[in-house]
Amino acid sequence: SQTIHQWPATLVQPVGSPLSLECTVEGTSNPNLYWYRQAAGRGLQLLFYSVGIGQISSEVPQNLSASRPQDRQFILSSKKLLLSDSGFYLCACQGARYYEQYFGPGTRLTVT
Amino acid sequence: QQPVQSPQAVILREGEDAVINCSSSKALYSVHWYRQKHGEAPVFLMILLKGGEQKGHEKISASFNEKKQQSSLYLTASQLSYSGTYFCGTDTYSGGGADGLTFGKGTHLIIQP
Repeated sequence: SQTIHQWPATLVQPVGSPLSLECTVEGTSNPNLYWYRQAAGRGLQLLFYSVGIGQISSEVPQNLSASRPQDRQFILSSKKLLLSDSGFYLCACQGARYYEQYFGPGTRLTVT
Repeated sequence: QQPVQSPQAVILREGEDAVINCSSSKALYSVHWYRQKHGEAPVFLMILLKGGEQKGHEKISASFNEKKQQSSLYLTASQLSYSGTYFCGTDTYSGGGADGLTFGKGTHLIIQP
């Protein structure tokens, strides 16, 4: 079964600073990967998904971007953070059997 | 379109039963259920595929009525460990949801001893 790693676990960044969150997956090849954001006390919002290296689809317009430089690596970035970017960022990998989503441990981002 | 979950919150005594509903305005191919403990990532519970299939996981089961575009999660004889926030995620494409899921806002379940 796959294992998803995310880092850092927590991050506090000032408004206007850049952001880079990394997600790596073990135990599977060519996975479909996803970035979700969860605002405090809210549901999960899909931000980006990728079906392969260099293939990124965006679900919502925002100041965030994603990249997939390697098969099992997915990166979430921003050039200038906004207060509204605060939240719990979750990387997910799609299961092979029933297309279920397996989530990584998440990165808790606070923009001050 | 985000699925609608009900109730928003429920408080139970240990051993009581609960039902959590998930309703969509779009035709669904599958419905996924997840549980999230405070401060942790969501954990996959089960998936219901098109066809009205009912699945079970320990004392947790679910049903999917594709005609009504609804799914329900049943928690029987609830245990303290069942506490958390339950999310349904919906997939409207038969392609297997490669474009991700749309999640409801969640149902907060509190189990008291």
